[in-house]
Amino acid sequence: GAVVSQHPSWVICKSGTSVKIECRSLDFQATTMFWYRQFPKQSLMLMATSNEGSKATYEQGVEKDKFLINHASLTLSTLTVTSAHPEDSSFYICSARPLRGAPTNYGYTFGSGTRLTVV
Amino acid sequence: RKEVEQDPGPFNVPEGATVAFNCTYSNSASQSFFWYRQDCRKEPKLLMSVYSSGNEDGRFTAQLNRASQYISLLIRDSKLSDSATYLCVVNSILTGGGNKLTFGTGTQLKVEL
Repeated sequence: GAVVSQHPSWVICKSGTSVKIECRSLDFQATTMFWYRQFPKQSLMLMATSNEGSKATYEQGVEKDKFLINHASLTLSTLTVTSAHPEDSSFYICSARPLRGAPTNYGYTFGSGTRLTVV
Repeated sequence: RKEVEQDPGPFNVPEGATVAFNCTYSNSASQSFFWYRQDCRKEPKLLMSVYSSGNEDGRFTAQLNRASQYISLLIRDSKLSDSATYLCVVNSILTGGGNKLTFGTGTQLKVEL
């Protein structure tokens, strides 16, 4: 149980185009999903918290107009990288908490990640 | 100072060795703590939660010292398959509700024959 599916696994796109990444909770509902970015040899950095039915909460320094987040259902959140540039090339990972109201010592489940390369 | 600090390594150890990793965190209000394992170019996977009383899962033992804001992971009888990056992760409750996971940069372990 507690599977998070993320697609695509990798994508190569041209500079200036937009890329959509999907994150689905397959066997549970997730009112909150999280989007992270990881550059080579660096730690995962939280970009934004996606809340079902409301606006996402972005971390400081993350452009909300560039990284559009939509969490329209309890099982799907999408991240769209708009007008992508080479510096946006990174490993993007989503995660969700498997149980609503779970104890705080319950771990999070991660998607398999999307490796984005902008050329 | 980083919120979660780890020695990046790499730690190269022979198969069968016992190895320990340490992690310190700066937010004294942090609520829960985890060790995750991340293989190269893959997503992190939960290894174990960390409790103040210490907890063990097979060859892995985790310890938490809240007073010192220090977390440790001990791996006994290392296997080649233990080679990975080990991430120290801290969960904090945010003002106004919600949780936030903060990741350390990870400690790389290489187990060799």
